[in-house]
Amino acid sequence: DIVMTQSPDSLAVSLGERATINCKSSQTVLYSSNNKNYLAWYQQKPGQPPKLLIYWASTREFGVPDRFSGSGSGTDFTLTISSLQAEDVAVYYCQQFYTMLHTFGQGTKLEIK
Amino acid sequence: EVQLVESGGGLVQPGGSMRLSCAASGFTFSDYWMNWVRQAPGKGPEWVANIKQDGSEKYYVDSVKGRFTISRDNAKNSLYLQLNSLRAEDTAVYYCARSFRESQYSGFDYCGQGTLVTVSS
Repeated sequence: DIVMTQSPDSLAVSLGERATINCKSSQTVLYSSNNKNYLAWYQQKPGQPPKLLIYWASTREFGVPDRFSGSGSGTDFTLTISSLQAEDVAVYYCQQFYTMLHTFGQGTKLEIK
Repeated sequence: EVQLVESGGGLVQPGGSMRLSCAASGFTFSDYWMNWVRQAPGKGPEWVANIKQDGSEKYYVDSVKGRFTISRDNAKNSLYLQLNSLRAEDTAVYYCARSFRESQYSGFDYCGQGTLVTVSS
């Protein structure tokens, strides 16, 4: 099935600076019939469930701050936080929903430098 | 406000059984595909199973096929997961999760707080 690989495994960024997390799928998650990428991004803070941030690779979930953005297509995707805030410290996961297994990446731990 | 509240977790011996429940509120439960997602300690999430709005379709990850059964009761706004023949590798927090699209191929827009299942002798 599709393997999702994130990079880096951990990242330390200064407050107010940009954070970039990458996600690569082992095969395309772009569905040709509707031209949509079946890719989501989640944020998970300690002791909390995953929270949906982005779906269709670039559509922000309602209520998610606009400093979060998603980009990419096919097999290569990026989550960008334009100006890091203290409350953004978390583990971030990408997930494909192109196949039934709905596989997640291994996660990227984001910390403050 | 959408709420998903899981219950039923705990400590069970290998080979044992357990039934997890998820009480849903704040939305029309019967309109949505529903899922169970688990997360082993220190690991990333893993999708386990999902079920169609009317319960007519169910899908499972290979590692639980034949051992776990997902079900729902739309009249009670509840989702269930029956876990049989439990193994140590089933130890995880189990989350109830709502699909954001009307399809089995979907991300999850709401997750409950989870219930911990520990399989150990």
